[in-house]
Amino acid sequence: EVHLLESGGGLVQPGGSQRLSCTASGFSFSTYAMTWVRQAPGKGLEWVSSISASGSTYYADSVKGRFTISRDNSKNTLYLQMNSLRAEDTAVYYCAKDQVEMSTLAGFWDYWGQGTLVTVSS
Amino acid sequence: DIVMTQSPDSLAVSLGERASINCRSSQSVLYSSNNRNYLAWYQQKPGQPPKLLIYWASTRESGVPDRFSGSGSGTDFTLTISSLQAEDVAVYYCQQYFDSPQWTFGQGTKVEIK
Repeated sequence: EVHLLESGGGLVQPGGSQRLSCTASGFSFSTYAMTWVRQAPGKGLEWVSSISASGSTYYADSVKGRFTISRDNSKNTLYLQMNSLRAEDTAVYYCAKDQVEMSTLAGFWDYWGQGTLVTVSS
Repeated sequence: DIVMTQSPDSLAVSLGERASINCRSSQSVLYSSNNRNYLAWYQQKPGQPPKLLIYWASTRESGVPDRFSGSGSGTDFTLTISSLQAEDVAVYYCQQYFDSPQWTFGQGTKVEIK
């Protein structure tokens, strides 16, 4: 059974940094693109960043230059390093698995974690 | 970026009745070379992550009940729940994956029981 477990959320001050992790199990992690999607409290879904199976990275304009996505296939873990955090980055961050194996980026996601809440506030 | 607009923002439907949600994209998400519409639908219940229901505009994800169906092409799409069940109360989102990787979601449609 596929399982994605996010961790690393919490309260951080504006301008601060936070690193999120997503530990995967139940599938061949190294052969799937992975993605972070966020949801501000009471709001809709926003794509944040993706990393292909080969390690190519992609970012939404709203986080480009501040966030870094990475993966460690030996640990079946996806990361999101978030720097220069702003109040508008406050959200539940979900990691999600591409629905298509070995694609560059399918762009739609069949398994999602439960999410981790990041609150940016002084 | 492609803007996705859903209508209505919310709807209340009686149990067993049909529910339809519309999604319009600001530009076509039909890729002419493969004649596929790069459009997905998700269901999100309170306190849960989104769940993939439909992709390629009309392909049901494995395990999704057949009362859920997707239709449409180009810029106009519809998610239909043929016979609403209590467990279908949720917010539904459409998402385009045509403009890779600047993927965008609709604002969501809340479905409730009348």
